[in-house]
Amino acid sequence: AQSVTQLDSHVSVSEGTPVLLRCNYSSSYSPSLFWYVQHPNKGLQLLLKYTSAATLVKGINGFEAEFKKSETSFHLTKPSAHMSDAAEYFCVVSGWAGNMLTFGGGTRLMVKP
Amino acid sequence: DVKVTQSSRYLVKRTGEKVFLECVQDMDHENMFWYRQDPGLGLRLIYFSYDVKMKEKGDIPEGYSVSREKKERFSLILESASTNQTSMYLCASRPGQNEKLFFGSGTQLSVL
Repeated sequence: AQSVTQLDSHVSVSEGTPVLLRCNYSSSYSPSLFWYVQHPNKGLQLLLKYTSAATLVKGINGFEAEFKKSETSFHLTKPSAHMSDAAEYFCVVSGWAGNMLTFGGGTRLMVKP
Repeated sequence: DVKVTQSSRYLVKRTGEKVFLECVQDMDHENMFWYRQDPGLGLRLIYFSYDVKMKEKGDIPEGYSVSREKKERFSLILESASTNQTSMYLCASRPGQNEKLFFGSGTQLSVL
């Protein structure tokens, strides 16, 4: 069994300040982990993925995430928020045979000018 | 460019109707998925398929069935639509394990 918990349903930051979106997972297997972003009325886009290589993963648009096995966490960060980052973000875990993909409930990021 | 096409963007059906949602990908991908997206619940996996005629239940398969007769097409069937199946349905595909998902634009289904 596997599950993903996104600890905040909404996060609000000011433009130019750091972003932290939190994700905890559970998996009976060595997981692969992903972050996807969904802009309003747009399709989901892959930000980054972790597949047991380096624990610090860099993605597109300046985002990065760190895999911490001891904390079962995969938090998404960005040093400086931009207005265009306003969107919904989903943390995803892939467990058994890599086929079963489980999404978290999503975190809506709001960026204030 | 890669493409996952869902046949309808909006669909309105009545309770008890049989509903077919079609998804076609043109990338020769092995894996295909059906999710439903509801506010606050994220995306929940209904079914996935890792090969032609192969399917596995996801987290919420009740009330749904699927068909994959050809590699490029993965159909979701609501045998008898109910109001609690009103949702956004998203199809996705990917080449193989741990590869990124390619999503369709979604079908907003309303069951009245």
